[in-house]
Amino acid sequence: SQQGEEDPQALSIQEGENATMNCSYKTSINNLQWYRQNSGRGLVHLILIRSNEREKHSGRLRVTLDTSKKSSSLLITASRAADTASYFCATRSGGGADGLTFGKGTHLIIQP
Amino acid sequence: DTGVSQNPRHKITKRGQNVTFRCDPISEHNRLYWYRQTLGQGPEFLTYFQNEAQLEKSRLLSDRFSAERPKGSFSTLEIQRTEQGDSAMYLCASTFVSGSYEQYFGPGTRLTVT
Repeated sequence: SQQGEEDPQALSIQEGENATMNCSYKTSINNLQWYRQNSGRGLVHLILIRSNEREKHSGRLRVTLDTSKKSSSLLITASRAADTASYFCATRSGGGADGLTFGKGTHLIIQP
Repeated sequence: DTGVSQNPRHKITKRGQNVTFRCDPISEHNRLYWYRQTLGQGPEFLTYFQNEAQLEKSRLLSDRFSAERPKGSFSTLEIQRTEQGDSAMYLCASTFVSGSYEQYFGPGTRLTVT
């Protein structure tokens, strides 16, 4: 079953604008990860944030985590056409349960 | 290419037939995962191995599904008596347990059951 929900389900913006995607999850977590998937392909890991971290940056990506609200956000700044893809958050519960639980994803379209 | 590879990339089979997929992880990775993804959904966890030991199986893994990783390197996922509901992308991922836990995914095997 899907643990999380991404919001919005779809997002279309102009190149150069910032894109923000949100993720909510249900159970306690060890870490939360964001992945990108281009159409019909495998997933690419973007960034991981641990449960004791609140914010993390990687290049044009900024991730926040609020464990009290069981939510995370992914910000992509200065978007490019190549950022067009589906973005998924995934949680790892830990404690021996090592499989990732993914949300349904946000489909991001960057208009040139 | 030293990434995760999966074969075949596409498989079309008739209902009731058995199919087997193969995954070759990144060579130094000791954990290997299988996921299933249907159209418009995120991947759903099926099972994972640490070396050759199968450590966790999801409830999605019915008794028609079996996975192996006999020598702790490549893995196979077999589906017996396929059903139309098995049509999906089957994704394999690997990682090295060192505290990072980011998973590296292969390109997937797309299964179509007619």
